Amino acid sequence: QKEVEQNSGPLSVPEGAIASLNCTYSDRGSQSFFWYRQYSGKSPELIMSIYSNGDKEDGRFTAQLNKASQYVSLLIRDSQPSDSATYLCAVHMDTGRRALTFGSGTRLQVQP
Amino acid sequence: DTGVSQNPRHKITKRGQNVTFRCDPISEHNRLYWYRQTLGQGPEFLTYFQNEAQLEKSRLLSDRFSAERPKGSFSTLEIQRTEQGDSAMYLCASTGGGVETQYFGPGTRLLVL
Repeated sequence: QKEVEQNSGPLSVPEGAIASLNCTYSDRGSQSFFWYRQYSGKSPELIMSIYSNGDKEDGRFTAQLNKASQYVSLLIRDSQPSDSATYLCAVHMDTGRRALTFGSGTRLQVQP
Repeated sequence: DTGVSQNPRHKITKRGQNVTFRCDPISEHNRLYWYRQTLGQGPEFLTYFQNEAQLEKSRLLSDRFSAERPKGSFSTLEIQRTEQGDSAMYLCASTGGGVETQYFGPGTRLLVL
């Protein structure tokens, strides 16, 4: 079992729709969770961080965390073609390590 | 520009050659990370510095890889006797204070022929 799992996609949504990206993680003691966006050939760019159970909203983005289910998600409202990218879920695991553990990413395609 | 910078942005080398990459973190960030990313995968941790001390190294960091961060400022990652399997994007990230959020540089794309 991978430590951080994401569906590789592609996830295709029409412009203006809600895109829902999901991530599960294996370490129950994980405390910090991050979503990064990565355009092809570019480096990861931070979208949101979330530390507590529940929802966290920032503009068109909402991160949701459920530690009991070991599940974190990212919702993108009013999806735009410019949102087309790979979305990486990253977890700071409770292993004493400071590094982030990344999923392999979900590719999102927003159709105009 | 106060973000993380990396040089060079691209490097093409022949198998067996040595290469060195540089990372300049965000000013006053005391923690610096190196990751490697191959196509279709998320970044994989290589090594971590707090100030000038190298505190963590991944199993991925074979003895051909060495990293240092003299004086706790910029960091270098050297790969000796490169192999084709070393072809990847090498990413540097930094963070500081009590914050865990890591900010990435633009990366160095390495191609070993």
